[in-house]
Amino acid sequence: AQSVTQPDIHITVSEGASLELRCNYSYGATPYLFWYVQSPGQGLQLLLKYFSGDTLVQGIKGFEAEFKRSQSSFNLRKPSVHWSDAAEYFCAVGAWNTGNQFYFGTGTSLTVIP
Amino acid sequence: DAGVTQSPTHLIKTRGQQVTLRCSPKSGHDTVSWYQQALGQGPQFIFQYYEEEERQRGNFPDRFSGHQFPNYSSELNVNALLLGDSALYLCASRSAGIGSNEQFFGPGTRLTVL
Repeated sequence: AQSVTQPDIHITVSEGASLELRCNYSYGATPYLFWYVQSPGQGLQLLLKYFSGDTLVQGIKGFEAEFKRSQSSFNLRKPSVHWSDAAEYFCAVGAWNTGNQFYFGTGTSLTVIP
Repeated sequence: DAGVTQSPTHLIKTRGQQVTLRCSPKSGHDTVSWYQQALGQGPQFIFQYYEEEERQRGNFPDRFSGHQFPNYSSELNVNALLLGDSALYLCASRSAGIGSNEQFFGPGTRLTVL
């Protein structure tokens, strides 16, 4: 069965500190992987995506993520967090051969302290 | 270029009523998916429409139904509303063309059932 696990429900970091949000997936087919960010009361904004090729992908707002097939992980990183990064972050997995139905994790809430 | 648009923004209904939510896909997109996001949870896939037909369905009861129009816009209908149907309903669109794996999300409709 397909599933996405985000082990950290809530993370607090200081502004300027580095960030890593964890994502593990279980998927029978070759997955496409995504990270989305959601501000309160808003829809989902795509941060980055992995389809194939280089396992380190760059996204918007200075975010990057690394796909590790052996660990079934797709962790999101940022070297220096800004106060405006405070939001909810969702990892999602989909696949072409399943009609691109996305499976989302339960999200990680990020708080940034000055 | 307008992205995915949804209406209304907010909606309040009472138990047992019926509701219709609307979505206009991003220009050039022909496939629409609907997701339910309960408070504190990740989005859950409801169903997907392509060529005016339901192509895939998640684990939702028949009270949830939909429609896609020739202009690719879509409606989500929920009958016999329950308190548990209170959620943010997200619409996502993509192109069905090969290689088009990214979905674009609308801002959502916040449904409150009293």
